[in-house]
Amino acid sequence: DAGITQSPRHKVTETGTPVTLRCHQTENHRYMYWYRQDPGHGLRLIHYSYGVKDTDKGEVSDGYSVSRSKTEDFLLTLESATSSQTSVYFCAISRDRGSKNYGYTFGSGTRLTVV
Amino acid sequence: AQKITQTQPGMFVQEKEAVTLDCTYDTSDPSYGLFWYKQPSSGEMIFLIYQGSYDQQNATEGRYSLNFQKARKSANLVISASQLGDSAMYFCAMREGSGAGSYQLTFGKGTKLSVIP
Repeated sequence: DAGITQSPRHKVTETGTPVTLRCHQTENHRYMYWYRQDPGHGLRLIHYSYGVKDTDKGEVSDGYSVSRSKTEDFLLTLESATSSQTSVYFCAISRDRGSKNYGYTFGSGTRLTVV
Repeated sequence: AQKITQTQPGMFVQEKEAVTLDCTYDTSDPSYGLFWYKQPSSGEMIFLIYQGSYDQQNATEGRYSLNFQKARKSANLVISASQLGDSAMYFCAMREGSGAGSYQLTFGKGTKLSVIP
């Protein structure tokens, strides 16, 4: 278990309101990611981070921002939520090859509904 | 063009039979890695197996094996002796390159496997 905790697990919010999702890890991994999962699309990368204050955009970054002020926390913010952002959001960390459990480990997900 | 293609939206398999889930990929980078993940109805993403582009042998992990055909750019997942608990969505994913940006995973759209008793 990589010790990845996502909060909240479920959230319902209104269109136009700001929303922040939190990802917390306990193993000091450098790389962290935010994905969204939608039916028929698999998982798509929103943003990722390769260190404190080092972030970059993924495939579907429009309407999202991220921050990483500490190694253990990676925040995803929807500045003004829209119905198209209703989705399941996954945080993940990645391990280098040669490490136990090489690859990605995912959090449990956050189900966000924008009404 | 899609980087990862899973052509089977849904599949059925009889319990105790073997099943192959297809995955083809598209990359021009000689260094890449291919992953398979399982997502049961509870929603968590579970890592199953990994194959590196330079690995000489097909990867195996218990009942899971990866049929890696590099020239055809395919990385099919084979599940032997299917169990009811194998019913889930299965995702193929790829990681390209070896630099800092290579840590991103690109996912296919998934295959829903249903195991019939």
